[in-house]
Amino acid sequence: AQTVTQSQPEMSVQEAETVTLSCTYDTSENNYYLFWYKQPPSRQMILVIRQEAYKQQNATENRFSVNFQKAAKSFSLKISDSQLGDTAMYFCALYLRSGGGADGLTFGKGTHLIIQP
Amino acid sequence: NAGVTQTPKFQVLKTGQSMTLQCAQDMNHNSMYWYRQDPGMGLRLIYYSASEGTTDKGEVPNGYNVSRLNKREFSLRLESAAPSQTSVYFCASSEDRVYTEAFFGQGTRLTVV
Repeated sequence: AQTVTQSQPEMSVQEAETVTLSCTYDTSENNYYLFWYKQPPSRQMILVIRQEAYKQQNATENRFSVNFQKAAKSFSLKISDSQLGDTAMYFCALYLRSGGGADGLTFGKGTHLIIQP
Repeated sequence: NAGVTQTPKFQVLKTGQSMTLQCAQDMNHNSMYWYRQDPGMGLRLIYYSASEGTTDKGEVPNGYNVSRLNKREFSLRLESAAPSQTSVYFCASSEDRVYTEAFFGQGTRLTVV
């Protein structure tokens, strides 16, 4: 079975700083997607960024970018120019194409990111 | 756009009571999911439905039943609630033929006393 590991339960940085959240995963499949979801206090799960495993280019979305290292099975999220509104739980998640959705998303345990004013 | 709608948002049950969590999506997605979120555990899959009339167990199905009533609706039932089922429950949907992301409802915070 696949696993996703987030080794940082909590991180705190000052506003405007850059922060990197770590994620490692394990799967024997080659065809998969990786995601970072944000969960603010409202509880809503919000997609931050996605990466398709067959694409070598790292995904970027405005201030958010990933460092995808397929051989190392690493998928870190970098937030540049952090803002107070970035304070939230961040979850790394894996989706296997071969499963046809049967496994859904496999989530890490999350990193609580706090942006200090 | 409503997206994925869950009801209720909050619920308190006594041990042994039953209840059904409702979920509906308006994105014409084939796949729907129920997850539970516990502190320090991330989200874990309870049940999955690939299409109307089909359901499959996920990682933590014990104590739950589901019904895929039609393409839009996927309900989760607790027949005899236990304190261990105190959690936040999320419904999600996705289009697996061309997968882009899973869309989540706003969650139901359930407390069993």
